[in-house]
Amino acid sequence: DTEVTQTPKHLVMGMTNKKSLKCEQHMGHRAMYWYKQKAKKPPELMFVYSYEKLSINESVPSRFSPECPNSSLLNLHLHALQPEDSALYLCASSLVETSLTDTQYFGPGTRLTVL
Amino acid sequence: GNSVTQMEGPVTLSEEAFLTINCTYTATGYPSLFWYVQYPGEGLQLLLKATKADDKGSNKGFEATYRKETTSFHLEKGSVQVSDSAVYFCALNTNAGKSTFGDGTTLTVKP
Repeated sequence: DTEVTQTPKHLVMGMTNKKSLKCEQHMGHRAMYWYKQKAKKPPELMFVYSYEKLSINESVPSRFSPECPNSSLLNLHLHALQPEDSALYLCASSLVETSLTDTQYFGPGTRLTVL
Repeated sequence: GNSVTQMEGPVTLSEEAFLTINCTYTATGYPSLFWYVQYPGEGLQLLLKATKADDKGSNKGFEATYRKETTSFHLEKGSVQVSDSAVYFCALNTNAGKSTFGDGTTLTVKP
């Protein structure tokens, strides 16, 4: 099974809402990633978890709060977002964080719209 | 720092035409190189990769060769199909836990 799943597929939220994005993988990978992708742009790294600990935070605003409850799950909690946060949010995983040759496996993404 | 430069799109081809999408990179050390494809409304999928100089990655008729002397990893396919229409991203990995992506090249194949 080489699949990364993400829910929900689409999310519309107001600026005062609190919502969460979920990501799951069962490949035994110990590194998991959140990316933000705007239309016609490459993915931008937000967070990296390695062995369930936050390893990299790319200076992401605190209205985005990641959580890794176990080795298979990754959440992204959203609160007080701005319209410019509307984007495709991609989750990815790889065997380990610092491997030169590892492939990242991406989920299908959550299309987020902030009104 | 590391960087990846891809040929600007969009690229429009007729079915069965030959495809080349250029990719060059700048990196310290010896990175691994990847091509990812993103179909409309989907996430990124690995298309092929090469982990050392002169390696050739191939998949689904696509090929790319890791050329250290020209710091390039150009993507080629001999005969494209309408179903190949997508955005293609060149990327590199170092052992620092991050991937660096190019800006993407949009390919449209017309019947």
